[in-house]
Amino acid sequence: DQQVKQNSPSLSVQEGRISILNCDYTNSMFDYFLWYKKYPAEGPTFLISISSIKDKNEDGRFTVFLNKSAKHLSLHIVPSQPGDSAVYFCAASYSGTYKYIFGTGTRLKVLA
Amino acid sequence: ETGVTQSPTHLIKTRGQQVTLRCSSQSGHNTVSWYQQALGQGPQFIFQYYREEENGRGNFPPRFSGLQFPNYSSELNVNALELDDSALYLCASSLGAGQGDYGYTFGSGTRLTVV
Repeated sequence: DQQVKQNSPSLSVQEGRISILNCDYTNSMFDYFLWYKKYPAEGPTFLISISSIKDKNEDGRFTVFLNKSAKHLSLHIVPSQPGDSAVYFCAASYSGTYKYIFGTGTRLKVLA
Repeated sequence: ETGVTQSPTHLIKTRGQQVTLRCSSQSGHNTVSWYQQALGQGPQFIFQYYREEENGRGNFPPRFSGLQFPNYSSELNVNALELDDSALYLCASSLGAGQGDYGYTFGSGTRLTVV
């Protein structure tokens, strides 16, 4: 049972445009969500997080939106840059637990 | 500040053998979590160690075991290797269980191939 789903395995975007990566979850107990970026031959790198008491969090070019009623979160990258080309994972956890549940990832390619 | 270091980076083992993977946590971190990432999948939680004790475990059989040492470094041991154990094994360190603005710090992983 995949509790965290990233239904788009890949996404291509022109440089300078907006990239929108989506993530759906099924467990309503999740209260903390993160996005990680992974380059080949490297470990995942923390990008941005959001707790369930918020519906938006921004950090520079990156914004994460959380829609709790739809159990959906999205990562917006504006403007997209070729260096953003990587695999993006969303992950979720809930208070008192010790693990994150990861989605299967979306491969973003930003075209110059 | 040093990051998370994993060794070896790659190894090939034969089915039925045993393997030990190693991880040095980031300076200041006291918790180590291990994840298995199969090809085309997201990382799956194996277990977490805090203060040298297992602090939680995912859906992995007992032949997956671990240790954490007083300096917070950690080992992952896998006995009786199976072909399906072929994956990227990721170590992540954190201060506490990882909830917070910065989550985990991951290492680059060990790519295990079982033949």
